[in-house]
Amino acid sequence: ETGVTQTPRHLVMGMTNKKSLKCEQHLGHNAMYWYKQSAKKPLELMFVYNFKEQTENNSVPSRFSPECPNSSHLFLHLHTLQPEDSALYLCASSQSAGTDTQYFGPGTRLTVL
Amino acid sequence: GEDVEQSLFLSVREGDSSVINCTYTDSSSTYLYWYKQEPGAGLQLLTYIFSNMDMKQDQRLTVLLNKKDKHLSLRIADTQTGDSAIYFCAETGYTGGFKTIFGAGTRLFVKA
Repeated sequence: ETGVTQTPRHLVMGMTNKKSLKCEQHLGHNAMYWYKQSAKKPLELMFVYNFKEQTENNSVPSRFSPECPNSSHLFLHLHTLQPEDSALYLCASSQSAGTDTQYFGPGTRLTVL
Repeated sequence: GEDVEQSLFLSVREGDSSVINCTYTDSSSTYLYWYKQEPGAGLQLLTYIFSNMDMKQDQRLTVLLNKKDKHLSLRIADTQTGDSAIYFCAETGYTGGFKTIFGAGTRLFVKA
């Protein structure tokens, strides 16, 4: 596998479910990001990890919980979501957080019923 | 906060040139990017330009940067139906730490 991969590609969950999104990068990068993409809205940066440390949390509700066990893997744990959380969740990575170019995964299309 | 703006929609005929425009507010921009997103896919980096450059050409793509007016454009020559996608402008600047801000995307529709 090359680049940035995300699993699952599609996820449907109820509001009381707990699920996790996974992102893996094979680029040797040290920074990883979670973005939310909703219809007709700009990309919303959710979390940034640099060398496994969270450096940014853009006022994301606690029902979204990120985890970065190492520089290659990033998770987004989901719990008690709302229908308005339905969106495309994109993971990206870069050499380090800041000025370096970000490379994106294909995204996970999440639907909350 | 800083902002990046793009028109939401552009329609062109196959074979014509497409020009997608973007304006930004951040005076500290270092890099500016164009990404392409096809249906059901993530963002694919097309090209980027450093803020001290005026122009960058890469095959059918030409990026023009007017730093004074904070205006970035992407020209696609000989536009093909496969170019139909959403194109995102983004800039990286320093406002209390380096941050990349994305525009809302321009949907390019190419008519055969």
